[in-house]
Amino acid sequence: QQPVQSPQAVILREGEDAVINCSSSKALYSVHWYRQKHGEAPVFLMILLKGGEQKGHDKISASFNEKKQQSSLYLTASQLSYSGTYFCGTEGPPDKLIFGTGTRLQVFP
Amino acid sequence: NAGVTQTPKFQVLKTGQSMTLQCAQDMNHEYMSWYRQDPGMGLRLIHYSVGAGITDQGEVPNGYNVSRSTTEDFPLRLLSAAPSQTSVYFCASSYLSGEDGQISYNSPLHFGNGTRLTVT
Repeated sequence: QQPVQSPQAVILREGEDAVINCSSSKALYSVHWYRQKHGEAPVFLMILLKGGEQKGHDKISASFNEKKQQSSLYLTASQLSYSGTYFCGTEGPPDKLIFGTGTRLQVFP
Repeated sequence: NAGVTQTPKFQVLKTGQSMTLQCAQDMNHEYMSWYRQDPGMGLRLIHYSVGAGITDQGEVPNGYNVSRSTTEDFPLRLLSAAPSQTSVYFCASSYLSGEDGQISYNSPLHFGNGTRLTVT
């Protein structure tokens, strides 16, 4: 069963912040985040393991609440290069990495 | 270092034809997988493998076959193409880890550049 991402789409001006959420109905072992530019392959952003950790990558960070089976991706001070579709991938029993339907992010000058 | 290589990049098939999408990786990754991407549906897992000789079904396996005879290669076969299989197909691979028989996806997925398939 695919994890649910929200919102489906976000429009931002440069410098604004955004949060993308990912939730699952199953227990999760880990959560992956990827960004895909139009016409390209998805590119890895970060992985969060169970334990409720938060990770950061430049101005992009994420949290993982395993009790709530949720993860959130935080984009601060957005840049034009942040535009693309963001996917979360969740790992839970029985040993499959399943992706959500994606969140399309557009950043304008 | 080539990473994950998919061929062909584009393919047009007629309904009922068969074909094989090729995927090869040179990173000695245990895990290989095939996803299809359709508008509004995200990336859906077709089949995956955790090592040579081991394959399993994903979310949408019907109409597709796979095999994993070597660590490097993971071809996807369409036995009788249907218009519903028109999609962009991505192959992805990664290392695996785990303890006590529990597999963990703790490493990034490396994606190929995709194959755009049209079935008429």
